[in-house]
Amino acid sequence: DTGVSQNPRHKITKRGQNVTFRCDPISEHNRLYWYRQTLGQGPEFLTYFQNEAQLEKSRLLSDRFSAERPKGSFSTLEIQRTEQGDSAMYLCASSLAISVGETQYFGPGTRLLVL
Amino acid sequence: AQTVTQSQPEMSVQEAETVTLSCTYDTSESDYYLFWYKQPPSRQMILVIRQEAYKQQNATENRFSVNFQKAAKSFSLKISDSQLGDAAMYFCAYRETSGSRLTFGEGTQLTVNP
Repeated sequence: DTGVSQNPRHKITKRGQNVTFRCDPISEHNRLYWYRQTLGQGPEFLTYFQNEAQLEKSRLLSDRFSAERPKGSFSTLEIQRTEQGDSAMYLCASSLAISVGETQYFGPGTRLLVL
Repeated sequence: AQTVTQSQPEMSVQEAETVTLSCTYDTSESDYYLFWYKQPPSRQMILVIRQEAYKQQNATENRFSVNFQKAAKSFSLKISDSQLGDAAMYFCAYRETSGSRLTFGEGTQLTVNP
């Protein structure tokens, strides 16, 4: 069990560019979550997958954001036409749906800075 | 909508002493889960402790324990024998039993003084 991994760890981009982040969950976990965390705040839910199906999306997830989990394993989060307000830490978490309490395990995050 | 409130943006404690972090939440559900997560500087968030709302007994994990008051919708975290490694941002989080998303509080920055 290597834990949840995320790549890249840091990303600096110019406004208007597209960026893509990757998350690799704990191998046996069937649920995968994306959260966004701005400085000094708690994480906010963006979306989650059960296997390859995207089951819930937050209102925070604007049309410029898209997430995929094509084979029910890793997931990608793409932000198109980035804006300065997108600067944040993007956290991925995974869980096993049938486990008691269904604890979510977090990755180290991808810190995005939009210039 | 569920909300989670942590009213202490910062707390400090002397090494080896005890500190309590506060959390209140608002929900109309009767069954749910509550969590405390720890986020050290520049490191990933890790679970400290979990409480099931249907359990009356307060959860404990070594030096960490909770005081769960369901009627008051209060869920505080007590850290005993504080260690320098306990210094971190602590987040209280809520999840419905039938739901998936975690709802987090604003966090409490804990400093441990040697």
